[in-house]
Amino acid sequence: KAGVTQTPRYLIKTRGQQVTLSCSPISGHRSVSWYQQTPGQGLQFLFEYFSETQRNKGNFPGRFSGRQFSNSRSEMNVSTLELGDSALYLCASSLEGGLERETQYFGPGTRLLVL
Amino acid sequence: GQSLEQPSEVTAVEGAIVQINCTYQTSGFYGLSWYQQHDGGAPTFLSYNALDGLEETGRFSSFLSRSDSYGYLLLQELQMKDSASYFCAVSSLKAAGNKLTFGGGTRVLVKP
Repeated sequence: KAGVTQTPRYLIKTRGQQVTLSCSPISGHRSVSWYQQTPGQGLQFLFEYFSETQRNKGNFPGRFSGRQFSNSRSEMNVSTLELGDSALYLCASSLEGGLERETQYFGPGTRLLVL
Repeated sequence: GQSLEQPSEVTAVEGAIVQINCTYQTSGFYGLSWYQQHDGGAPTFLSYNALDGLEETGRFSSFLSRSDSYGYLLLQELQMKDSASYFCAVSSLKAAGNKLTFGGGTRVLVKP
């Protein structure tokens, strides 16, 4: 099976712009989670989608949003970018139910640089 | 809230054994996971414990004590390729779905 894919892999934006990142989960996976990774804050949970519904949300401002499509692909959007949004954005997918619920498979990430 | 503590860095030589401890504070604890991340790479799932005891997967083992809110990852027969960051992560019953809270990560440096 193909792994989790994320596009684009690298992105440079300027403050005030908005950005949309895309994630395609492993085939058959219905849960997609997004994480932000920075040297200072580590890995932080942004939100999780399951069956096109946001099921969990982390402590991020409303500038961070996401959605999931019927084929389980997911996008996240960051509006009005700030310098502090520079980070590696990771997408993870997983099956639902049992032990598989806890095994999240991460994509390679999108490295966002805000200038 | 939830918090996890793990050492920031560990150095060892090839062939040695390294234990990475993780203590956590969380309400509604569900399970403890371990992930490995090489520089520039994505986190990769290593192990998961929901019940007390030891889980062994090849050279890596993970242990959980729910009563002590403590777990560890044991890396045996260290190899150079094991140089990476290792994260413990907890999942909570209070979250309907998947929501992992990660520790700060332990950077393991393996020397020849």
